[in-house]
Amino acid sequence: EAQVTQNPRYLITVTGKKLTVTCSQNMNHEYMSWYRQDPGLGLRQIYYSMNVEVTDKGDVPEGYKVSRKEKRNFPLILESPSPNQTSLYFCATSPTGTVYEQYFGPGTRLTVT
Amino acid sequence: QKEVEQNSGPLSVPEGAIASLNCTYSDRGSQSFFWYRQYSGKSPELIMSIYSNGDKEDGRFTAQLNKASQYVSLLIRDSQPSDSATYLCAVKFFGNEKLTFGTGTRLTIIP
Repeated sequence: EAQVTQNPRYLITVTGKKLTVTCSQNMNHEYMSWYRQDPGLGLRQIYYSMNVEVTDKGDVPEGYKVSRKEKRNFPLILESPSPNQTSLYFCATSPTGTVYEQYFGPGTRLTVT
Repeated sequence: QKEVEQNSGPLSVPEGAIASLNCTYSDRGSQSFFWYRQYSGKSPELIMSIYSNGDKEDGRFTAQLNKASQYVSLLIRDSQPSDSATYLCAVKFFGNEKLTFGTGTRLTIIP
């Protein structure tokens, strides 16, 4: 089954404790991206990767890191989480190598206390 | 200043009527336009894309683009209760592979 998976789906953590949210896809898609969704602010792009060799910042990259060492995985790293990073996070992929036709993962709800 | 704006709603439409959702965007070399649907507690899913001025129809959905007026809309004909969701407008601007989303319009279809 073609899918985008995210782990964990729910996470409660404390300020400053490093964490990684994984994103994995089995569709051989080139493009992968991370978004956060907050009430009143909508979906905002954090980072994207057009392929294994190209990663670039989205609109809200501060406080986040990403890594694209292989095509299928695109983890989101929060090295020192803060309460303002409490949000719903989505990973998305696209077969086209561009932002078109994105398929979203199920989401990860993160709470930083 | 927000680059993509939508009325947050809620927008209530009787079953069987036409639902009209609107989106305006800033003129920063806009290139491509997308409508996503998001059910409560679920992830967004792409329902329409439009790249040139005019109308594009897909089943009960019609996307309309007017670049001169910086306006894109989504019409849903014969609205069904299953169309109740939040609809997100997204714009890709020239020069990068990012999507900028509006905050979404919550649509409720009343049986």
